[in-house]
Amino acid sequence: QKEVEQDPGPLSVPEGAIVSLNCTYSNSAFQYFMWYRQYSRKGPELLMYTYSSGNKEDGRFTAQVDKSSKYISLFIRDSQPSDSATYLCAMSYTGNQFYFGTGTSLTVIP
Amino acid sequence: ETGVTQTPRHLVMGMTNKKSLKCEQHLGHNAMYWYKQSAKKPLELMFVYSLEERVENNSVPSRFSPECPNSSHLFLHLHTLQPEDSALYLCASSQDWVLRRTLAKNIQYFGAGTRLSVL
Repeated sequence: QKEVEQDPGPLSVPEGAIVSLNCTYSNSAFQYFMWYRQYSRKGPELLMYTYSSGNKEDGRFTAQVDKSSKYISLFIRDSQPSDSATYLCAMSYTGNQFYFGTGTSLTVIP
Repeated sequence: ETGVTQTPRHLVMGMTNKKSLKCEQHLGHNAMYWYKQSAKKPLELMFVYSLEERVENNSVPSRFSPECPNSSHLFLHLHTLQPEDSALYLCASSQDWVLRRTLAKNIQYFGAGTRLSVL
């Protein structure tokens, strides 16, 4: 069983839609959670990180962690064509070595 | 720009060649990483250097040989690779490897990667 499961998509939505990206995990010791965005031909860039359970909001992005269900989500409100990218979740129990999902490919159609 | 530069961006090599990937970070970070990214697979951590000492080596074949001459530079030396080694190789750096009070200093900043094709 993989440590982190992420639906690869592809996911295609119209501009302005609310996007929900999700990851599930098996290791209940994970307590640090991150979301990265990776544009084509670029390296991943950090979007948000959270510690333990709860929600965190940054502009149009909201990260949500449900440790009881071992489930994390990233919501993108008012999606824009510039949000088209691959989104990677990552998590850790030590805070330094991270386990990544396979990434979800998102396309926002103008 | 993330402050992490990788060269070359693309590399094609035969199975008997020897080549090197280079990574340079301009962020004053103390930890540097090599990852392998293959299609439909999670990022695989290969090596970690903290303060120029290797602290992680995740069962990587010996045909991959890392070198960290100083805290700003990281190399990945390649020899007798296999076609299945074709992938995007990403370098990253972070302020620290060991977790301190806050996760902020462990955030990894990635370069754009080297797309490697082994023929």
